[in-house]
Amino acid sequence: EAGVAQSPRYKIIEKRQSVAFWCNPISGHATLYWYQQILGQGPKLLIQFQNNGVVDDSQLPKDRFSAERLKGVDSTLKIQPAKLEDSAVYLCASSTGWTVLDNSPLHFGNGTRLTVT
Amino acid sequence: AQRVTQPEKLLSVFKGAPVELKCNYSYSGSPELFWYVQYSRQRLQLLLRHISRESIKGFTADLNKGETSFHLKKPFAQEEDSAMYYCALRGRGSNYKLTFGKGTLLTVNP
Repeated sequence: EAGVAQSPRYKIIEKRQSVAFWCNPISGHATLYWYQQILGQGPKLLIQFQNNGVVDDSQLPKDRFSAERLKGVDSTLKIQPAKLEDSAVYLCASSTGWTVLDNSPLHFGNGTRLTVT
Repeated sequence: AQRVTQPEKLLSVFKGAPVELKCNYSYSGSPELFWYVQYSRQRLQLLLRHISRESIKGFTADLNKGETSFHLKKPFAQEEDSAMYYCALRGRGSNYKLTFGKGTLLTVNP
């Protein structure tokens, strides 16, 4: 099966600029996740979608970050305006479900490496 | 709150030696525990999960609820095991999200 696709692979912007990342999950996967991974740390969940609805966005800095999954398939994550501390790898992942009865693993994309200067 | 602690950032062993990557967690309930691995220039992928009680690539991990630990073990390390390993915890109910530790970089020397 095709994996989770993300673009772009790399992005360099100046602080206060905006940036958008795109993710296309594995076909048929209902749940989509965006993680932020700062250098030297583990991935941190930013937002989780079940189809086109938000399940968890408690760690999303909503004053500058936004995400959508309008048709329940692909998703975009936007940062506006960017800060230096947003420099990180942004990982998209998908899985087949989200209930406690579903043990499906997360399938990750290659990530987008963002550098804010 | 759920938290995962991996006390070692770096672990270096020789080929053929046993390896243990430590993971401790904090969660008020019965969590699901996972190990994810990222090989050089590859994407993050699932290695194993505690509910499956399986051995993958010679690795095993046992959930110890008394010590709140989920250490990853392999009796004889191979060079191809060199990678970044992340322990992760998934809560239940409203906390159903996957929380990762900071990771341990394992290097297996020839």
